[in-house]
Amino acid sequence: EAGVVQSPRYKIIEKKQPVAFWCNPISGHNTLYWYRQNLGQGPELLIRYENEEAVDDSQLPKDRFSAERLKGVDSTLKIQPAELGDSAVYLCASSLEPAVAYEQYFGPGTRLTVT
Amino acid sequence: QQQVKQSPQSLIVQKGGISIINCAYENTAFDYFPWYQQFPGKGPALLIAIRPDVSEKKEGRFTISFNKSAKQFSLHIMDSQPGDSATYFCAAAAPGNQFYFGTGTSLTVIP
Repeated sequence: EAGVVQSPRYKIIEKKQPVAFWCNPISGHNTLYWYRQNLGQGPELLIRYENEEAVDDSQLPKDRFSAERLKGVDSTLKIQPAELGDSAVYLCASSLEPAVAYEQYFGPGTRLTVT
Repeated sequence: QQQVKQSPQSLIVQKGGISIINCAYENTAFDYFPWYQQFPGKGPALLIAIRPDVSEKKEGRFTISFNKSAKQFSLHIMDSQPGDSATYFCAAAAPGNQFYFGTGTSLTVIP
């Protein structure tokens, strides 16, 4: 069974440029998470989807970050415009319904460098 | 405010030794406490998890000890191997809520 797929794996952009990350969760997992992991820190939740609905986006900086999950499967996270402080690893994870199963499966992440 | 406090930040253990990583929390609504292992360039992978109705869970060389009254839990790696060298994160979650991760422990097992 394929795991969580993310692309690209690495991205280098100049500040003020836009960037987008893509995530394909494990088949059948209706909950999808986007996390940001700064160097030497644990992952911090940006947004959580249950199917197509964003049920927790309280930590998403909405002035520059946006996300979508069309048809309840793949998801895209966008940053526009990027700032130097956005340099981090962006992780996508998926799980079955959170109310009954907490196990999250993470993708390899996208390492973003903003110069 | 850090919801889950993890220590130590780094740990060096001889091969065959016991690695111990500790975490503490405050929110009594948390009811799921997983540990994740992360290798460089990879995403975190679930290692072992525990719920507060048990005080210990063992899977192979990995054991979680849970102290509900003290609001602490720890990961013990028995017979540590060089292949265990990685960063370990504890986490906590409550029903319907987000996961809160610790700051991580970088483990190095010396041959």
